[in-house]
Amino acid sequence: AQSVAQPEDQVNVAEGNPLTVKCTYSVSGNPYLFWYVQYPNRGLQFLLKYITGDNLVKGSYGFEAEFNKSQTSFHLKKPSALVSDSALYFCAVRDRNFGNEKLTFGTGTRLTIIP
Amino acid sequence: GAVVSQHPSWVICKSGTSVKIECRSLDFQATTMFWYRQFPKQSLMLMATSNEGSKATYEQGVEKDKFLINHASLTLSTLTVTSAHPEDSSFYICQGLASSYNEQFFGPGTRLTVL
Repeated sequence: AQSVAQPEDQVNVAEGNPLTVKCTYSVSGNPYLFWYVQYPNRGLQFLLKYITGDNLVKGSYGFEAEFNKSQTSFHLKKPSALVSDSALYFCAVRDRNFGNEKLTFGTGTRLTIIP
Repeated sequence: GAVVSQHPSWVICKSGTSVKIECRSLDFQATTMFWYRQFPKQSLMLMATSNEGSKATYEQGVEKDKFLINHASLTLSTLTVTSAHPEDSSFYICQGLASSYNEQFFGPGTRLTVL
């Protein structure tokens, strides 16, 4: 069974500072990994994904994430936080096998950027 | 990215009534649709997976007779909450899988409130 852990329910960062939202995963074989952002009463917006290749993945709104196979992690990062980055962030994992496209989500991390 | 729409975006109904939520893939063919439920301040929980033209596969603990899913075409899936009760109040989100390029896209969600 695949699983995702987001160890921090809440992360507070001062505007302009770098931010990190942590994610670790467990899956048999090699995973597809995703980050999504959710604003209040809205659906999920795709930020970035890791499929294969370069371990550092760049996504929307200046976000990036680094796939670390040995640590089974896929932490989300941004060099300089904006107040508008305040939202709920979800990490998700998916098996690579065709026919098993179910996404498993972490519990979410609420990111608050302090002006 | 591709677009998935949901209708209605929010609905308020009386206890005991049924509510239908539509999920449409607007610019791609979704051979598979996923339906999620999200309670306040919680993560997305997969309810069921539906493939076009076949019966949905429900996750453990999800009542298939209460949450009726129909996926009659490659662009439309519906979720009907039958005999809704206040505990069914939640945010329901669909996700379409574009098999032609193995990408998944979320709808904006439907907020259901049962009085």
